Amino acid sequence: QKEVEQDPGPLSVPEGAIVSLNCTYSNSAFQYFMWYRQYSRKGPELLMYTYSSGNKEDGRFTAQVDKSSKYISLFIRDSQPSDSATYLCAMSARETSGSRLTFGEGTQLTVNP
Amino acid sequence: DVKVTQSSRYLVKRTGEKVFLECVQDMDHENMFWYRQDPGLGLRLIYFSYDVKMKEKGDIPEGYSVSREKKERFSLILESASTNQTSMYLCASTSYGLGSGANVLTFGAGSRLTVL
Repeated sequence: QKEVEQDPGPLSVPEGAIVSLNCTYSNSAFQYFMWYRQYSRKGPELLMYTYSSGNKEDGRFTAQVDKSSKYISLFIRDSQPSDSATYLCAMSARETSGSRLTFGEGTQLTVNP
Repeated sequence: DVKVTQSSRYLVKRTGEKVFLECVQDMDHENMFWYRQDPGLGLRLIYFSYDVKMKEKGDIPEGYSVSREKKERFSLILESASTNQTSMYLCASTSYGLGSGANVLTFGAGSRLTVL
């Protein structure tokens, strides 16, 4: 069983929709949770970074962590065609440099105009 | 703007060839990483390096080696390429430290390797 499970999609939504992207994990030591966005033919770039449980909001994006359920989510409000990308969740147990990140396999999202 | 540059974006090689993938970062980062990305498998760590001339195996080091002669440069070497090494290869780096998101990776654009 994978340490991090992420629905690969693909997910296709109309412009303006609310998008929910999710990951579940099995390692209770994970405390740091990230979402990366990867456009086609590009490397991943950090979108959201959270520590422990709770919510974090940045513009149209909200990251949610529920450590008791070992479940994290990324919500995108008022989705735009420019949000079309693959979204990867990642997590680690420590914040030290070089500490290993464990990635989900990514969810491919298309937002249709 | 910080950058991780992978000079070869697309490569096509034949089975048995030696392949070099180069990565350069201009952020004075101590830590550098090589991942491969495959559909259904996500990102998997091949090797990483905390310092010049230092290397550590990741989760899937078999068939690969690395070289770090200078702080800014981290090379991935496939001694004898095989078809199952056809993949997207991503280089990444982080600065040394504790806290303040020290575990956040900055990625290059990737090198897509096809082995025939």
